[in-house]
Parts: sequence; C-alpha cells; structure tokens
Amino acid sequence: AQRVTQPEKLLSVFKGAPVELKCNYSYSGSPELFWYVQYSRQRLQLLLRHISRESIKGFTADLNKGETSFHLKKPFAQEEDSAMYYCALRRIGAGSYQLTFGKGTKLSVIP
Amino acid sequence: DAGVTQSPTHLIKTRGQQVTLRCSPKSGHDTVSWYQQALGQGPQFIFQYYEEEERQRGNFPDRFSGHQFPNYSSELNVNALLLGDSALYLCASSSIAGGGNEQFFGPGTRLTVL
Repeated sequence: AQRVTQPEKLLSVFKGAPVELKCNYSYSGSPELFWYVQYSRQRLQLLLRHISRESIKGFTADLNKGETSFHLKKPFAQEEDSAMYYCALRRIGAGSYQLTFGKGTKLSVIP
Repeated sequence: DAGVTQSPTHLIKTRGQQVTLRCSPKSGHDTVSWYQQALGQGPQFIFQYYEEEERQRGNFPDRFSGHQFPNYSSELNVNALLLGDSALYLCASSSIAGGGNEQFFGPGTRLTVL
C-alpha cells in the first residue's frame, strides 16, 4: 500500500524567507505526485503536479525517486502563501484512480 | 460554472441514523470521487464512480455506499452512523477524457454524529 508522510504539522517562516514543505512517500511502483493547497475558507485546489514540471505562484517541486520525496519549495515566502498544504500520490496505471493524501502542513508566513 | 457543488453544507445526526450526501460535478466532468477528512487529517479516499458504477473503493466498510446518476451527480450514503463518522466529506470530480489526473474538489459537507 502507498503512504504519504508530511513530517511537519506546522511551519512558520518570515515573509521573504525561503520555504520548504517536506513530503515523503512510500510506493514500490510508479507514482504521480501532487501538491494541493487550501486557503482559509476556500476549497482544496491543485497547486502543482510533478508531471507538468511547472512553477505555480512561485512554488516548485521536484520528484526525487531515490529519496522518495516531493518537497515543495519557494525562494521568497509571501503572506498570501499562508494556507494548509497537502501532498498526494496516485499510482500510475493498474486502474488506480484514488489519491492518497498526507496529513498536511499548515504554513504560516509572518509579516 | 459553479464548479463542484455539495449539499448540505452541515448536517447533525445521532448514532445509528442514516445520512445521504449529494454532489454535483464540475461541468464536463464524468467521474466523482468521495473522500472523508477527519479533523487534523488529510482526505481519505472512500470510492469513485464512473458510468454509474463504483470503479474503485478505499478501505471503508459496507456501511458506506454510493450512487451515480445519468447526469453524473452522485450520492454518498452512510448507514448505522457511528461517532467516528463525524468528519468533513469531500466530493471531487474529474474527466476521463482529460486523463482524470486533476480532481476538482467541492466545499465539503460537515457531518456531526452525536
């Protein structure tokens, strides 16, 4: 079975400081990794996925298969980045459609 | 497009009762997934519906059942409610034609079991 671990429940950084939200996964096959974000009083929404290899709102994430990690990074945090962040995994192929989520990390950007 | 909509927003039930939650997918989407999110946890997959059939199921008991209608909307039914069923229930929709990779979430239904 697959598992997603987000070791930090809460991460506080100052505005302008770099941010790294950690995500580790366990799955023996080929995974597809995602980062979802939930801003205050808003619904869960996709931030980025490793397949697209794009930068969204200044965030990037690289899939490291050797370390089974998919950390989310941003060089300079902004106050509007304060939100709940969830890392999620989907098994590629084998007719698997479910997302397996981590428990989430609450990012607080201090002005 | 209002995106994924869910009803009701909040619900209070007592142990042993039954509940039905509803979801309308985003326009153009044909697949609906249901997740349970307990307090302080990430969403947990319950099941997914496509073409009115349950296509995949997570680790949830048979008390949890669902249905998808021809217009792609879906219902989640939970029988014999337990205190532990108190959670936020999220519906997510996606499109098979679009690869099904991006799931769009609704605002959720907050279920409280007393």
